[in-house]
Amino acid sequence: DTEVTQTPKHLVMGMTNKKSLKCEQHMGHRAMYWYKQKAKKPPELMFVYSYEKLSINESVPSRFSPECPNSSLLNLHLHALQPEDSALYLCASSQGAVAGRKTKAKNIQYFGAGTRLSVL
Amino acid sequence: QQQVKQSPQSLIVQKGGISIINCAYENTAFDYFPWYQQFPGKGPALLIAIRPDVSEKKEGRFTISFNKSAKQFSLHIMDSQPGDSATYFCAASPYTGGFKTIFGAGTRLFVKA
Repeated sequence: DTEVTQTPKHLVMGMTNKKSLKCEQHMGHRAMYWYKQKAKKPPELMFVYSYEKLSINESVPSRFSPECPNSSLLNLHLHALQPEDSALYLCASSQGAVAGRKTKAKNIQYFGAGTRLSVL
Repeated sequence: QQQVKQSPQSLIVQKGGISIINCAYENTAFDYFPWYQQFPGKGPALLIAIRPDVSEKKEGRFTISFNKSAKQFSLHIMDSQPGDSATYFCAASPYTGGFKTIFGAGTRLFVKA
């Protein structure tokens, strides 16, 4: 099973709203990612969590706040977004670093279906 | 050094024809080259991937050809079908020990019935 589940599928919010995107995987992966994808463009990395710790923040504005409550869940909290933040938000996961093992984990990323976000 | 250049930007192929998408990378540290297929409104799905120790990998109608010396790789879709109409992204990354994947710009494929 290589399923990454994202909710909601669609979200419309005003610029003063606070909302959250959720992502879940049960593959035992220890690395989870948030990407932003604009129409006709490739996915653009936002954040990476490894073992529930933030490993990479690609200089994302603070109105996007990620959270990794446990190894299976990843949230993206949204506040005071701008219309230009409207996009498809994708979650992905990969095996991630394997603590205590000599073999490094594989960087094979599996994506969810995404949340289509519209900011009015 | 971090770019992956993908061509063509769009492609129209007749049903039953061969679709070919090309990519070139710069960073020789990359040793994992996946292709993702994305339908409108969906997330990218891992289609097929290759490592530099082989020059070709085939899975059903999909084949990756890899030229390590030229730092190029390509996706061939044999007997293209209307259901293959989607956007295809090539990508490159370290196979282990890293998180970042560099994506090509994407190719929009349309297969005419």
